[in-house]
Amino acid sequence: ETGVTQTPRHLVMGMTNKKSLKCEQHLGHNAMYWYKQSAKKPLELMFVYNFKEQTENNSVPSRFSPECPNSSHLFLHLHTLQPEDSALYLCASSQDSTAPPYYGYTFGSGTRLTVV
Amino acid sequence: AQKVTQAQTEISVVEKEDVTLDCVYETRDTTYYLFWYKQPPSGELVFLIRRNSFDEQNEISGRYSWNFQKSTSSFNFTITASQVVDSAVYFCALSLGNTPLVFGKGTRLSVIA
Repeated sequence: ETGVTQTPRHLVMGMTNKKSLKCEQHLGHNAMYWYKQSAKKPLELMFVYNFKEQTENNSVPSRFSPECPNSSHLFLHLHTLQPEDSALYLCASSQDSTAPPYYGYTFGSGTRLTVV
Repeated sequence: AQKVTQAQTEISVVEKEDVTLDCVYETRDTTYYLFWYKQPPSGELVFLIRRNSFDEQNEISGRYSWNFQKSTSSFNFTITASQVVDSAVYFCALSLGNTPLVFGKGTRLSVIA
């Protein structure tokens, strides 16, 4: 149990489907992050939310739409994805995105997404 | 902009050997924070250590040790007497404190029994 729970663990979707990834933490953190992990690439930051407000969008295509209804929950809505979007999507949380993360980020186990 | 380079893509060692994972970082800021994470096959990144730019003291935790050298912008990680359970992908990361973590590409370590 890492403290950050991501569902589903695996997802296969067609290019015309719409699906959502869910992330949940009950660590009392106020910042939440989406990272994309592709083979042989660094982890790519996608979005940052701090106290429910989006503070960073790292030039992510509009087919990825984040939602943060409260500090404990983060969603990533997916639609009309491309095969190159297949990757491991990791959610993370920290106390406050504007403060030094003294204990690092707490990560979930990720959602392995395959777009067919 | 900040950048983290982990030049070693994959390393394979025999159990009980020592192994060092290299990390070189780039930043123009004088205040920054460096991290190491371990990613086992289960997927989640596990926090191992944080170092801030003002503290160059090396650290040892059991079989793990870290060597921070500002002169060479490096923050290397050594596992002594490696074990099969150390097999994982290891990531080095950098933050300015009020910026998100920037990660390297990771080094896949395989420890063979």
